[in-house]
Amino acid sequence: QQQVKQSPQSLIVQKGGISIINCAYENTAFDYFPWYQQFPGKGPALLIAIRPDVSEKKEGRFTISFNKSAKQFSLHIMDSQPGDSATYFCAASSRGAQKLVFGQGTRLTINP
Amino acid sequence: DAGVTQSPTHLIKTRGQHVTLRCSPISGHKSVSWYQQVLGQGPQFIFQYYEKEERGRGNFPDRFSARQFPNYSSELNVNALLLGDSALYLCASSLGQQNTEAFFGQGTRLTVV
Repeated sequence: QQQVKQSPQSLIVQKGGISIINCAYENTAFDYFPWYQQFPGKGPALLIAIRPDVSEKKEGRFTISFNKSAKQFSLHIMDSQPGDSATYFCAASSRGAQKLVFGQGTRLTINP
Repeated sequence: DAGVTQSPTHLIKTRGQHVTLRCSPISGHKSVSWYQQVLGQGPQFIFQYYEKEERGRGNFPDRFSARQFPNYSSELNVNALLLGDSALYLCASSLGQQNTEAFFGQGTRLTVV
């Protein structure tokens, strides 16, 4: 019940296209859902996060869509650029805990 | 502003040895968490410390221990190293104890040979 399942494992998108990464969870106590971007040899960097009181949050080219009833959330990267090539992790945590439960990661490659 | 800093960046140890990893959180952040990231996987939670007290522990053996100092910096200690302990060890700092934005350092790459 503590798992967060992420798909796809890898994704190739053409420059200018839309990259979509999906995550699903079981624990209904989760109420904070961040996305992290990680480049090789670096730590994860917080991209954008959402709480379940909203269904969508947008920051620049990055959008989180959240479906509480389906227990799913997704990251959309608009106008994808080669510099977006990285591994992306979704995560979740529950009220009363700082512990983040991470998905398995998606390796995104943007072809020029 | 300095982000989360970790030291050392890389480390090679022999099986059975002990290792200490260090983390300095973002100024003003009182919570430090440690994660282990094995190659190709997402980070796994090891510990959280807030106001110098352990507030959470993941599913790791007692060989793993940590502490937080009065200046909110933290150490992660691993005893009796195994080959399987080879991983990127990440420190994350956040303002409060519960459910707030967590910012990660660049990690310490530990290789056990």
